Amino acid sequence: KAGVTQTPRYLIKTRGQQVTLSCSPISGHRSVSWYQQTPGQGLQFLFEYFSETQRNKGNFPGRFSGRQFSNSRSEMNVSTLELGDSALYLCASSLDPGRTTDTQYFGPGTRLTVL
Amino acid sequence: LAKTTQPISMDSYEGQEVNITCSHNNIATNDYITWYQQFPSQGPRFIIQGYKTKVTNEVASLFIPADRKSSTLSLPRVSLSDTAVYYCLVGDFSGAGSYQLTFGKGTKLSVIP
Repeated sequence: KAGVTQTPRYLIKTRGQQVTLSCSPISGHRSVSWYQQTPGQGLQFLFEYFSETQRNKGNFPGRFSGRQFSNSRSEMNVSTLELGDSALYLCASSLDPGRTTDTQYFGPGTRLTVL
Repeated sequence: LAKTTQPISMDSYEGQEVNITCSHNNIATNDYITWYQQFPSQGPRFIIQGYKTKVTNEVASLFIPADRKSSTLSLPRVSLSDTAVYYCLVGDFSGAGSYQLTFGKGTKLSVIP
């Protein structure tokens, strides 16, 4: 079974631009979560989508948004990029985390650099 | 807001057993504890998950005391390839009404030849 895939793997943007990252979950997985990883803050939860609905959201500004399609693929968008948005963006899929911790399978990540 | 606390780093020699402890004082009743391993420039990889007492798989053991306010990941006979960052993950219910999973800061394990 193919793992979680993320595209692109690397991205360079300039301040003020916007960016869209894509994630394809493991086949059959309906939940997709996004995380931001930086050296200073570690892994931080952005949001989670399940059945095309955002179910949970972390403490990030509204510039960070996402969506999920009917085939469970998900996209994440960051508008008006700032230097501090430079990070590794990770996508994780699972069957359905719900309230109990479920096994999340992570993709390789997209390395975003904002200049 | 439930948080987790782990040692920032640990060193160990090859062949030794390594124990990494995570504190999670405000763990919710229904939450499980999950540990992940992460190598540089890769996504985290699931290691083990448990609710209480002891869980063992082919990679590690997880010890959880009765009060569930902490957990200990045990890696038997580590090798150089176990050098990585280890994260403790606990479900977190915020006061704002949303549910999110919170990773700890992670423990960087360095295995020395």
